[in-house]
Amino acid sequence: DQQVKQNSPSLSVQEGRISILNCDYTNSMFDYFLWYKKYPAEGPTFLISISSIKDKNEDGRFTVFLNKSAKHLSLHIVPSQPGDSAVYFCAASGGGSGNTGKLIFGQGTTLQVKP
Amino acid sequence: GAGVSQTPSNKVTEKGKYVELRCDPISGHTALYWYRQSLGQGPEFLIYFQGTGAADDSGLPNDRFFAVRPEGSVSTLKIQRTERGDSAVYLCASSNLAGGWGTDTQYFGPGTRLTVL
Repeated sequence: DQQVKQNSPSLSVQEGRISILNCDYTNSMFDYFLWYKKYPAEGPTFLISISSIKDKNEDGRFTVFLNKSAKHLSLHIVPSQPGDSAVYFCAASGGGSGNTGKLIFGQGTTLQVKP
Repeated sequence: GAGVSQTPSNKVTEKGKYVELRCDPISGHTALYWYRQSLGQGPEFLIYFQGTGAADDSGLPNDRFFAVRPEGSVSTLKIQRTERGDSAVYLCASSNLAGGWGTDTQYFGPGTRLTVL
């Protein structure tokens, strides 16, 4: 079963506008969430993360929102730039001292930012 | 400093053959992870090393897959009797895990694209 889901396989936005990427999860034990960006022929690159004790984390143009009751998180990119065009993966990990840190990934959303 | 490196970048093999995929983590990182990414999917966890030992191998699909990290640095993922369904990009990641709380950022290598004919 897919514990982390990204239901939109693709998203297209105009340069300068906001990009909103969504992610849903089913496992209530997850307590750390991350977004990775991936360009073709490269490995995923860490973008931003959020702990379950927070509902928002901001880093420059990137903001991640977490709604624990809905088991939903989103990534906002404002303003979007053509260089942001990539595949974005949502990932989650379980918490606690026994946590190995293994990440459970969603299927990814391909973002295209048009000039 | 150097990031995570993986060799080879591409590997084409025939069904039934044995392959080895290598990962060089970031120097000093104690935690090392292997993931597999199939077309159109996100990376899927395979195995996690803390130092030299495999602390979690729950993601290995079957006993044809094995990984080692004998000196706590370089790791090798080994696949015996390869099958066409093993074709995927194999990703390695490392992190500087601290205190058993797995919230440290994982840095990924570029991956090895394995094609089994």
